[in-house]
Amino acid sequence: GQQLNQSPQSMFIQEGEDVSMNCTSSSIFNTWLWYKQDPGEGPVLLIALYKAGELTSNGRLTAQFGITRKDSFLNISASIPSDVGIYFCAGLDTPNTGNQFYFGTGTSLTVIP
Amino acid sequence: EPEVTQTPSHQVTQMGQEVILRCVPISNHLYFYWYRQILGQKVEFLVSFYNNEISEKSEIFDDQFSVERPDGSNFTLKIRSTKLEDSAMYFCASRGSFTYEQYFGPGTRLTVT
Repeated sequence: GQQLNQSPQSMFIQEGEDVSMNCTSSSIFNTWLWYKQDPGEGPVLLIALYKAGELTSNGRLTAQFGITRKDSFLNISASIPSDVGIYFCAGLDTPNTGNQFYFGTGTSLTVIP
Repeated sequence: EPEVTQTPSHQVTQMGQEVILRCVPISNHLYFYWYRQILGQKVEFLVSFYNNEISEKSEIFDDQFSVERPDGSNFTLKIRSTKLEDSAMYFCASRGSFTYEQYFGPGTRLTVT
């Protein structure tokens, strides 16, 4: 299967700091989704990206679809304690794998008040 | 706001037993998915379902697994003879026709003893 690597694997930051994380793939995707997962719960959709170079915001979150189509980035500005959780990227390569999303390895975020 | 629901939230079963996990996708969605997440690991695709048939499945989805949409609202995952390694969180997700945005349910924690 396709490999999606997220970095960093984990982050410990002070409340109020900005956060950047990324997701890289061994192959091209034409859709990227970013999710947040709290312990014991299902992933919650944050942002969807459909076009190379696209930059999309959702409140304090901004995500970008990389120009090469092999990567995507998520930024969180002015972090707050409720940002704690695991962030997953998910990629879709419609022409080749149709309906099958591949999930990244996750970035665990801890916000220190 | 419409959401995906799953029952039960936690299922404990003995090795070799059959289990059925149930999901009610968002009502106007037409694409349905099952994913698995072993504790502390990434989300793994199992199967996608559209128009009353499987559209894709992963190598994890072997002959022990089956899916069904028995009526207009439920979507089920059956594991015929559970193994210890089937212990995981199982997530159902659904999406509409004109978007690739998948919405996840809260998950069923399956424990095989």
